[in-house]
Amino acid sequence: KAGVTQTPRYLIKTRGQQVTLSCSPISGHRSVSWYQQTPGQGLQFLFEYFSETQRNKGNFPGRFSGRQFSNSRSEMNVSTLELGDSALYLCASSVGTHTGANVLTFGAGSRLTVL
Amino acid sequence: DQQVKQNSPSLSVQEGRISILNCDYTNSMFDYFLWYKKYPAEGPTFLISISSIKDKNEDGRFTVFLNKSAKHLSLHIVPSQPGDSAVYFCAASASFGNEKLTFGTGTRLTIIP
Repeated sequence: KAGVTQTPRYLIKTRGQQVTLSCSPISGHRSVSWYQQTPGQGLQFLFEYFSETQRNKGNFPGRFSGRQFSNSRSEMNVSTLELGDSALYLCASSVGTHTGANVLTFGAGSRLTVL
Repeated sequence: DQQVKQNSPSLSVQEGRISILNCDYTNSMFDYFLWYKKYPAEGPTFLISISSIKDKNEDGRFTVFLNKSAKHLSLHIVPSQPGDSAVYFCAASASFGNEKLTFGTGTRLTIIP
């Protein structure tokens, strides 16, 4: 079955612009989580959506937002880009029911460079 | 504040020998731990996990050990193979099945043929 698909894979923006990243989860998965990976910081949790509702949120400023659609696809948006937003943004999907070992399946990521 | 720490950024091991990757955590609320492996240009892939009610979990060549009193876990790979060369991330969750994982900064493992 198809894995987690993230688009675009690479993008370059300039400071002050905004960006939207897209994630299509594994079929049947209702939870989508977003993580930011930067050198030296590991992966940091941004937020998680389940059934179109944000269920969990990390410690990122309000410039980072997301949403989930009825087909479980998700988008995240970063407004007023800063140089420090340059990172690999990873999306992960899971069943989301919290009734068992809820292993996350990650996409390959969207690499954002802010100039 | 790094709640999950992987203090070794890199590790080199001879093929066939044992690889031991270490991870320490500070948050006593963590009760579920996972290891992910990441190859370049790919997303992390799940390797093995352990609940805080256990002290060991095995899956083939991979074994994870948990020492709750020391807030320490380790991943053992025996025997190490060239395909094991990757970055390994330790992650922790405050509740079983929760999608909010706190990751360490990773250890780059290189298996020398």
